[in-house]
Amino acid sequence: AQTVTQSQPEMSVQEAETVTLSCTYDTSENNYYLFWYKQPPSRQMILVIRQEAYKQQNATENRFSVNFQKAAKSFSLKISDSQLGDTAMYFCAFMKHDSQGGSEKLVFGKGTKLTVNP
Amino acid sequence: ETGVTQSPTHLIKTRGQQVTLRCSSQSGHNTVSWYQQALGQGPQFIFQYYREEENGRGNFPPRFSGLQFPNYSSELNVNALELDDSALYLCASSLWLAGSYEQYFGPGTRLTVT
Repeated sequence: AQTVTQSQPEMSVQEAETVTLSCTYDTSENNYYLFWYKQPPSRQMILVIRQEAYKQQNATENRFSVNFQKAAKSFSLKISDSQLGDTAMYFCAFMKHDSQGGSEKLVFGKGTKLTVNP
Repeated sequence: ETGVTQSPTHLIKTRGQQVTLRCSSQSGHNTVSWYQQALGQGPQFIFQYYREEENGRGNFPPRFSGLQFPNYSSELNVNALELDDSALYLCASSLWLAGSYEQYFGPGTRLTVT
């Protein structure tokens, strides 16, 4: 079974600065996907960024980027130029690849509460 | 494009009662997954529906059941409610297609069991 570990329950950062959230996972699968989701107080789970395990290049979405280290089973999220609207719970999630093309379940970590201070 | 919607937003039930939660998937999506998120925890997978059939189940007892309708909307039913069933229930829709894997979440239903 896959497990996802987020070792930082809470973090804070000053507006406009950079912060990195950590995530490690355990799996025997070779093909899988990794995600970071954001959950603001409104509760809506929003997809921030995704990474396919077969891709060596780290994913980037505007101010959000990841550092994917497959051998170390590490998947950290870097938020640059932090904004007040980035305040939320951030969840790292794992999904194994389904060779039949179906959608598999997401396995989530316990989350990191990020607060961006003005 | 219509996003994932869920109803109701909040619900209060008494232990032993039954509850039905509803989810409308995003336009064009044919797969619905349900997750339970206890307070302070990450979501836990309950089950997934594809073409009106259960397609994978997490570690939840049989009193958690579901349905998917021809229009791909879905229901989650929980019988004999227990206090530990109090949680945020999230529905996520996706498109069953080779190479497709992203799941998009609704706003959730907050269930309180007293």
